[in-house]
Amino acid sequence: DAKTTQPNSMESNEEEPVHLPCNHSTISGTDYIHWYRQLPSQGPEYVIHGLTSNVNNRMASLAIAEDRKSSTLILHRATLRDAAVYYCILSNAGKSTFGDGTTLTVKP
Amino acid sequence: GAGVSQSPSNKVTEKGKDVELRCDPISGHTALYWYRQSLGQGLEFLIYFQGNSAPDKSGLPSDRFSAERTGGSVSTLTIQRTQQEDSAVYLCASSLALPGGGNEQFFGPGTRLTVL
Repeated sequence: DAKTTQPNSMESNEEEPVHLPCNHSTISGTDYIHWYRQLPSQGPEYVIHGLTSNVNNRMASLAIAEDRKSSTLILHRATLRDAAVYYCILSNAGKSTFGDGTTLTVKP
Repeated sequence: GAGVSQSPSNKVTEKGKDVELRCDPISGHTALYWYRQSLGQGLEFLIYFQGNSAPDKSGLPSDRFSAERTGGSVSTLTIQRTQQEDSAVYLCASSLALPGGGNEQFFGPGTRLTVL
């Protein structure tokens, strides 16, 4: 199964951009790249997903490397409410492989 | 509209007993997923349903675990002869059935299972 690798933790200052990296060197051509985040004692929440092209939505942007072996989730202006564990996931035909996630701390 | 609901929210059981965990997906979502999250860990994929059928059961940890879905809606995850290592939060998610993996999953709040 395709796996993802993320840094264990990252810190950011409030209202600054945050770039969360993810490596997925064994990605297959049909794997979608998804990002979810999880606050304490809650289920994960969808953030963004893409296949080959960069994606933007109201929450974040997703930059996908040309060879698709890595991607970066971009939070343009971090807020205290963005503090969570961020999971980079490969999804294919219903099966999703979760990495260990990055714990993002946002400092006021 | 209502989101994904799971019951019970908490379950404490004794080692060796059977437990049933229930998931009610969002109405109209044909895909349903079960995950397990141990304390301080990431999510472990267990099983996926498309309608009432489960194309991939390879994520189930052992033959003590089984799941079913009826009427294309409610799903039940059953753990027989529970062991202490089964203690975890069991999360359910649902999604619209879109081709491939381009589908946003909506997660329920989870069931926290504690096996004494």
